[in-house]
Amino acid sequence: AQSVTQPDIHITVSEGASLELRCNYSYGATPYLFWYVQSPGQGLQLLLKYFSGDTLVQGIKGFEAEFKRSQSSFNLRKPSVHWSDAAEYFCAVAGYSSASKIIFGSGTRLSIRP
Amino acid sequence: NAGVTQTPKFQVLKTGQSMTLQCAQDMNHEYMSWYRQDPGMGLRLIHYSVGAGITDQGEVPNGYNVSRSTTEDFPLRLLSAAPSQTSVYFCASSYKVAGMRGANVLTFGAGSRLTVL
Repeated sequence: AQSVTQPDIHITVSEGASLELRCNYSYGATPYLFWYVQSPGQGLQLLLKYFSGDTLVQGIKGFEAEFKRSQSSFNLRKPSVHWSDAAEYFCAVAGYSSASKIIFGSGTRLSIRP
Repeated sequence: NAGVTQTPKFQVLKTGQSMTLQCAQDMNHEYMSWYRQDPGMGLRLIHYSVGAGITDQGEVPNGYNVSRSTTEDFPLRLLSAAPSQTSVYFCASSYKVAGMRGANVLTFGAGSRLTVL
């Protein structure tokens, strides 16, 4: 069964600084990987996804993520954060044989320091 | 096009009461699922469905029932509510990505906040 670990519960960065949120997954074959964002009091919005091909994927709002098979990781990055990026971020994984069963990590809450 | 609609948005129950959280989607998505969100635990999959008449258990199915009689609707039933079921519940539907076998992307509803006293 697939699983996801997000080791950082809460991260604070200064506005304009770079950001990296960590995500490690467990799955026996090539996974489908996702990052979702949840703004306070809101539902979840897809930021980006990896299905196959180029291991560096671009998403909305200037985010990108890199799939590293050797490290079982799919870290999310942004070169310069904005105050509006303050939210909770969730990494998720699905498997080829059970793609409708999408499993989420515990989330990382991002705060922005003015 | 309303997307995924969940009702009610808020509900307070007493221990032992039953209720149904409704979920409807108008995007003709095959897959639907229910998650619960609790602080520090992220979203945990309760049940999911790959099509009308087909359901399966997720990570935390105990205490919940589902059925999928139509493509559009996927209600979640609590037969005897417990305080441990206090949570925010999200319904999601997903579409198949063209050319990618099995891959699909979730669209979430706005959530239903349930409190069990």
